[in-house]
Amino acid sequence: NAGVTQTPKFRVLKTGQSMTLLCAQDMNHEYMYWYRQDPGMGLRLIHYSVGEGTTAKGEVPDGYNVSRLKKQNFLLGLESAAPSQTSVYFCASSYSAYIGELFFGEGSRLTVL
Amino acid sequence: DAKTTQPNSMESNEEEPVHLPCNHSTISGTDYIHWYRQLPSQGPEYVIHGLTSNVNNRMASLAIAEDRKSSTLILHRATLRDAAVYYCILRDIGSSNTGKLIFGQGTTLQVKP
Repeated sequence: NAGVTQTPKFRVLKTGQSMTLLCAQDMNHEYMYWYRQDPGMGLRLIHYSVGEGTTAKGEVPDGYNVSRLKKQNFLLGLESAAPSQTSVYFCASSYSAYIGELFFGEGSRLTVL
Repeated sequence: DAKTTQPNSMESNEEEPVHLPCNHSTISGTDYIHWYRQLPSQGPEYVIHGLTSNVNNRMASLAIAEDRKSSTLILHRATLRDAAVYYCILRDIGSSNTGKLIFGQGTTLQVKP
């Protein structure tokens, strides 16, 4: 039982390049979330999904796109990376919107030069 | 989303109890009080949550004020491994069915040997 797995764990991009972060969970959770964390700051919600085929914007969605084609996977895309997107990205999942907790991945550290 | 206020940092001695305060004066009747912590270089992990009554689990205790405008996370015997950022978060289960957590800055807990 792996929980929440994020790939890749580290990536360096040049400005303007694109990439996709993959979040996979094996707990059959409906709800999935993408957060970013800048140095010395708390986590900020980028996008989230309340079930397969659904996505919604969080606090800081600009510059990112997401997709939830399969229940177990939640993809975060950067179409044209900018230095301001240098951050650590965390994925989380939850069984319910009402009970239980969020389970977080170990994070993906992205640097945009 | 209702907000919480926490001290930026606190210090504790190893093997002593730690009381981490959180103010949430605009809490609504359907807000659950959640606590998460984030160890260095890791994703956040769930600690405890409650609605009205005090709660205990293997990690900590949660004391909730009678008017619910404040709460305290209690670590009964701090260890060096408890050094982390602790986040107090309100999770609305009334008007929202997203289950999302909105993080603040949290309290950085230092534990001295």
